[in-house]
Amino acid sequence: DIQMTQSPSTLSASVGDRVTITCRASQGIGSWLAWYQQKPGKAPKLLIYKASTLESGVPSRFSGSRSGAEFTLTISSLQPDDFATYYCQQYESYWTFGQGTKVEI
Amino acid sequence: EVQLVESGGGLVQPGGFLRLSCAASGFSFSDFQMNWVRQAPGKGLEWVSYISSSGNTKLYTDSVKGRFAISTDHAKKSLFLQMHNLRVEDTAVYYCVSGELSWGRGTLVTVSS
Repeated sequence: DIQMTQSPSTLSASVGDRVTITCRASQGIGSWLAWYQQKPGKAPKLLIYKASTLESGVPSRFSGSRSGAEFTLTISSLQPDDFATYYCQQYESYWTFGQGTKVEI
Repeated sequence: EVQLVESGGGLVQPGGFLRLSCAASGFSFSDFQMNWVRQAPGKGLEWVSYISSSGNTKLYTDSVKGRFAISTDHAKKSLFLQMHNLRVEDTAVYYCVSGELSWGRGTLVTVSS
C-alpha cells in the first residue's frame, strides 16, 4: 500500500505568513495528489488536484507543487479563513491520506 | 452542480447492520467510479471502499473486508454501503466521494451498546 507522510502535524502561524505543508509518498504516484482543507464539522474541501491544479473558486494564494515523490501545499499569505486542518491524498492506487496538518494561531 | 447526499447513518449496537445511501446529481453518475471515505471522531480521513463505473471492480480496506459491501444503482444514481457485524471502531462520519473528488456532507454512524 502507498503511505503518505505529511508534515508538520501542527503549524502555528499568523495572518500574512507564508505557510508550507509537505507530503511524501512511499512510492511513485505521478501527479495523482490532491490537497484538502477541512474545518470542524464540515466535509473536506478540495483545494488542489493533480498536484498543482487549483480547483475552481479556490483563492490563488493556495498553490501546489511536486518534486519527485514530495509534494508541497503553499499558502502565500495566510488569511483568517485559512485556519483549518489540511490533508493530502494520493489517488494513483486505491486512496490514502496524509495524517493532516492543523494550522493554528 | 455536482451534489452528493448521504443518508442512513445512526446509532447501532455492536454486531448490528446499517445501510448507507448516497444520492448523486449534477453529473453522469454511471461514468464515474465512486468511493466511501470515513473519519472517526477527532481523527483523520480513511478510505473505506471503491466501486468502478461498471460495478465490476469493488475494493475494500482490510478492516472492513467481509463485513461491508459497496454497490450502485445507476438508474437511481445512487451509491450504497451495506455494513454488517459493525464494531465500535467503525464509528465515524462516512462520506460519499466521486472519482472526480467531489464530496458529500457525510452521515454519522455510531456503534455503541
